[in-house]
Amino acid sequence: DGGITQSPKYLFRKEGQNVTLSCEQNLNHDAMYWYRQDPGQGLRLIYYSQIVNDFQKGDIAEGYSVSREKKESFPLTVTSAQKNPTAFYLCASSISGGAYTEAFFGQGTRLTVV
Amino acid sequence: AQKVTQAQTEISVVEKEDVTLDCVYETRDTTYYLFWYKQPPSGELVFLIRRNSFDEQNEISGRYSWNFQKSTSSFNFTITASQVVDSAVYFCALSANNAGNMLTFGGGTRLMVKP
Repeated sequence: DGGITQSPKYLFRKEGQNVTLSCEQNLNHDAMYWYRQDPGQGLRLIYYSQIVNDFQKGDIAEGYSVSREKKESFPLTVTSAQKNPTAFYLCASSISGGAYTEAFFGQGTRLTVV
Repeated sequence: AQKVTQAQTEISVVEKEDVTLDCVYETRDTTYYLFWYKQPPSGELVFLIRRNSFDEQNEISGRYSWNFQKSTSSFNFTITASQVVDSAVYFCALSANNAGNMLTFGGGTRLMVKP
């Protein structure tokens, strides 16, 4: 099945720890994105990548880091510098980074800091 | 800067009622794209429709219809004869070439359809 796979579905982190969220796609899409969703709010862009080995900060990049070493993979690390990391994280991809292209989303990872 | 506003945070209807979800957008670009996504309880966003700024024709797909009006900067979504399976959060989004091609999302409208 073609699609986007995020893992794990639920993640618990202790304060002060870094944690990495996985995102893999087999759609052969060039562009990939990470969004954060807080209860009752829309999606906010954390980072995006339009090509391998290149990525750009979105609106709320502070406290997060990414890498794009392979076309299929775009992992997100939530660092200890992120003050309020508890949220629902969604990964997406699109065939290109053009404004006209629709994004395809994974099922999300719910991160809780305990 | 671009902005999308979905003023209705939550709507509750009874099955078979028609319901309209409002979306108002702001952009300085003349070429832009508007989208609607559905987020069911499982979490992933599902793409429903895309319109470009030069195409104001209304669109109908089964029980779904969309009304795009540039004069009022609105892109409203109507579900006819709603069903329980329509219960979800619906997001309107905007992207434009001159805004880095990134999607700007509205805050979402939670639709609850009761049997």
